[in-house]
Amino acid sequence: QTVVTQEPSFSVSPGGTVTLTCGLTSGSVSTGNYPSWYQQTPGQAPRTLIYNTNTRSSGVPDRFSGSVLGNKAALTITGAQADDESDYYCVLYMGSDIWVFGGGTKLTVL
Amino acid sequence: EVQLVETGGGLIQPGGSLRLSCAASGFIVSSNYVSWVRQAPGKGLEWVSIIYRGGERYYADSVRGRFTISRDNSKNTVYLQMSSLRAEDTAVYYCTKAETNAFQSWGQGTLLTVSS
Repeated sequence: QTVVTQEPSFSVSPGGTVTLTCGLTSGSVSTGNYPSWYQQTPGQAPRTLIYNTNTRSSGVPDRFSGSVLGNKAALTITGAQADDESDYYCVLYMGSDIWVFGGGTKLTVL
Repeated sequence: EVQLVETGGGLIQPGGSLRLSCAASGFIVSSNYVSWVRQAPGKGLEWVSIIYRGGERYYADSVRGRFTISRDNSKNTVYLQMSSLRAEDTAVYYCTKAETNAFQSWGQGTLLTVSS
């Protein structure tokens, strides 16, 4: 069974740039997986950041961007801020009307 | 403005059944895709089920055969009927409006606890 992989944790300095990735244990991620990204802080519902690989949801700052890099989907945060400290999840469309979330990345800004 | 309000969570014994509701406003459920996503305590998100505007329904392997998604167009509400509940079904269940191949709008969630 294919699993969606994410870095368990990542750290970035304030003002720095970080790229979180979303891969597959078998195969490559493509735009046909329609990767999307979500931000979640403790006790809150997720917030949609990016959909269809690189489209920002309404109200999302342009320092968040999405792409496919090599064989993975990627979320890049440019100019990280303290309130970017959150959990970040990707989800991939696996075909056959099935979606699979990654395990999430806990981002620390320090 | 799209709003989703989940209700129906609570404490249920293993093997029991429960129905969650997702009352939608700001859009028509029968013209859209609505999905359920869950999150076990301290864990990540897990896609559970989706119902398409045409009524087609799909499920994650972990719940197929035990959970049923449905909707009541007159109430603009989507349901998740859950049976044969297990401890591992314990989670916050979120209702989401799915469009452009993503989960675009989220409710605040309802907590289901399966325990004896």
